[in-house]
Amino acid sequence: KNEVEQSPQNLTAQEGEFITINCSYSVGISALHWLQQHPGGGIVSLFMLSSGKKKHGRLIATINIQEKHSSLHITASHPRDSAVYICAVHSGGGADGLTFGKGTHLIIQP
Amino acid sequence: DGGITQSPKYLFRKEGQNVTLSCEQNLNHDAMYWYRQDPGQGLRLIYYSQIVNDFQKGDIAEGYSVSREKKESFPLTVTSAQKNPTAFYLCASSLDRGRLKAGELFFGEGSRLTVL
Repeated sequence: KNEVEQSPQNLTAQEGEFITINCSYSVGISALHWLQQHPGGGIVSLFMLSSGKKKHGRLIATINIQEKHSSLHITASHPRDSAVYICAVHSGGGADGLTFGKGTHLIIQP
Repeated sequence: DGGITQSPKYLFRKEGQNVTLSCEQNLNHDAMYWYRQDPGQGLRLIYYSQIVNDFQKGDIAEGYSVSREKKESFPLTVTSAQKNPTAFYLCASSLDRGRLKAGELFFGEGSRLTVL
């Protein structure tokens, strides 16, 4: 089974700072998801990527398949970005092939 | 709007009682999943279903049961056999594009179960 490590576990930053959250995995994958979990518990899918880079607003996700590593960047961070960010990898093998990281708890202070 | 609806959001249960958590989706997705989330841990798969009237156990299925009588609905029953049921439960769905590809995931708002 794939091992997924996220860093840092906790991150507190000031509004406007550039944020980077990292995700490493141990086995080759078919896709990687970045998810955002709000304080109330609901989860929203931010990105699904299998190569290269994707951008949506102030969020950028990159993946390096050779190095088995992905990063999520937030530019011009804002207090509303405060949430838990979760990396999940799909190793193929069907619907049960997802492995989740433990999440990165991000707090953006005004 | 399309999405996943979980209910109830909060549920309290006495020891020895079975409880059922509801999950309904109107996204026309084939695959549905139930996950459990505990503090400091990643989401763990309880059960999943790729088609009506069929489902498979995930990593932590003991003490849980599910049904998939309709494409839109995938209820989870937490039975009295589950030794530590207090947790946050999340339902998700995705287009099942085949064994080697992953569809975008859609999650519900979750249900928090507390055993008294």
